[in-house]
Amino acid sequence: KQEVTQIPAALSVPEGENLVLNCSFTDSAIYNLQWFRQDPGKGLTSLLLIQSSQREQTSGRLNASLDKSSGRSTLYIAASQPGDSATYLCAVKGGAQKLVFGQGTRLTINP
Amino acid sequence: NAGVMQNPRHLVRRRGQEARLRCSPMKGHSHVYWYRQLPEEGLKFMVYLQKENIIDESGMPKERFSAEFPKEGPSILRIQQVVRGDSAAYFCASSPGHPNYGYTFGSGTRLTVV
Repeated sequence: KQEVTQIPAALSVPEGENLVLNCSFTDSAIYNLQWFRQDPGKGLTSLLLIQSSQREQTSGRLNASLDKSSGRSTLYIAASQPGDSATYLCAVKGGAQKLVFGQGTRLTINP
Repeated sequence: NAGVMQNPRHLVRRRGQEARLRCSPMKGHSHVYWYRQLPEEGLKFMVYLQKENIIDESGMPKERFSAEFPKEGPSILRIQQVVRGDSAAYFCASSPGHPNYGYTFGSGTRLTVV
């Protein structure tokens, strides 16, 4: 059974810092890994999708890496801004075609 | 090109009533997934449907919950005889179906049972 863990559970940093969010998963037989952002009381916004054959994906100030063999992914956020404050969710898709989510990292960027 | 549409956004039901949650997938998407997010908890898979078929319902509670995705119209998640513990945010996602595609999520329905 796939299990996804995100560390840290919460993170508070001053504006402008670069930061890394971590995600680990127990079963490396995945199709892809997806990072989402969720604002309080809102839905999920997809940030990046990495296929199992890829090592990283970039979108603006975001960069996600994937090491499938070790069951790890990181989301790197450069030059953080207060608008980046949200909960960041990592999810992996395995053979059953359903996404398995981590518990999320609650990020606060302080002005 | 509208995204995944869920309605209602907020739903209040008294204990014992029925709740019906609707989800219209993105245009061109034939696969629908329902997830539940309990307060201060992560997203848990409930059910995976294609048109007129339930593919995987391993996350659905055995009683009171059902889901359908008819040939025409939205997918429906139905909760009969709601209890306070059903209060949660229910999210729907859709995809084209190929394993390499990601999911697109709707804004969710927040169910409150009073």
